[in-house]
Amino acid sequence: DAGVIQSPRHEVTEMGQEVTLRCKPISGHDYLFWYRQTMMRGLELLIYFNNNVPIDDSGMPEDRFSAKMPNASFSTLKIQPSEPRDSAVYFCASSAYRGLEQYFGPGTRLTVT
Amino acid sequence: GNSVTQMEGPVTLSEEAFLTINCTYTATGYPSLFWYVQYPGEGLQLLLKATKADDKGSNKGFEATYRKETTSFHLEKGSVQVSDSAVYFCALSDLPSNTGNQFYFGTGTSLTVIP
Repeated sequence: DAGVIQSPRHEVTEMGQEVTLRCKPISGHDYLFWYRQTMMRGLELLIYFNNNVPIDDSGMPEDRFSAKMPNASFSTLKIQPSEPRDSAVYFCASSAYRGLEQYFGPGTRLTVT
Repeated sequence: GNSVTQMEGPVTLSEEAFLTINCTYTATGYPSLFWYVQYPGEGLQLLLKATKADDKGSNKGFEATYRKETTSFHLEKGSVQVSDSAVYFCALSDLPSNTGNQFYFGTGTSLTVIP
């Protein structure tokens, strides 16, 4: 199994630009999670999906953030417009079923200048 | 509400020393408990898990026992190696609804093992 795939691995952009992060979960997994990790705030859950439907987006920090899951094998996290405080590592994770362990991707390191 | 509290780091040990990283939790119901490890520049990897009280999870020489009476899930290893240097996260999985699956992660404990 290829594991959770994220792209790009690194993204450097200027303030105000749109950023799109991509995730391919493990095949057959029903749940997909987006997290953000920073030194100051640690690991934060942004949003998660069950069978492509958003279940809880209460962790999305602002309207500038949006996430979609058009099908079972693809999800995006978009930031528009980006700001320097969005700089962080963004992780995608998937889980086969409710309550089971999550498998994390390698992360996307985002730097907004 | 649900939460996970783990010991503050950083922790520095000499090779072959005994490791304990404390983790306590607060939860309604009967959560599953996990330990994840994050090596520099990588994502979190599942280290071990326990799904019910008194279960012991183990992997790569690490162990943790789900103690409902003390609401704890402490991570232990008898003899650490330099390659164990990483950040360790305790986590709890809760099922708040028919479709909900909320994970709660601790703040992470950084471990450095010196030769």
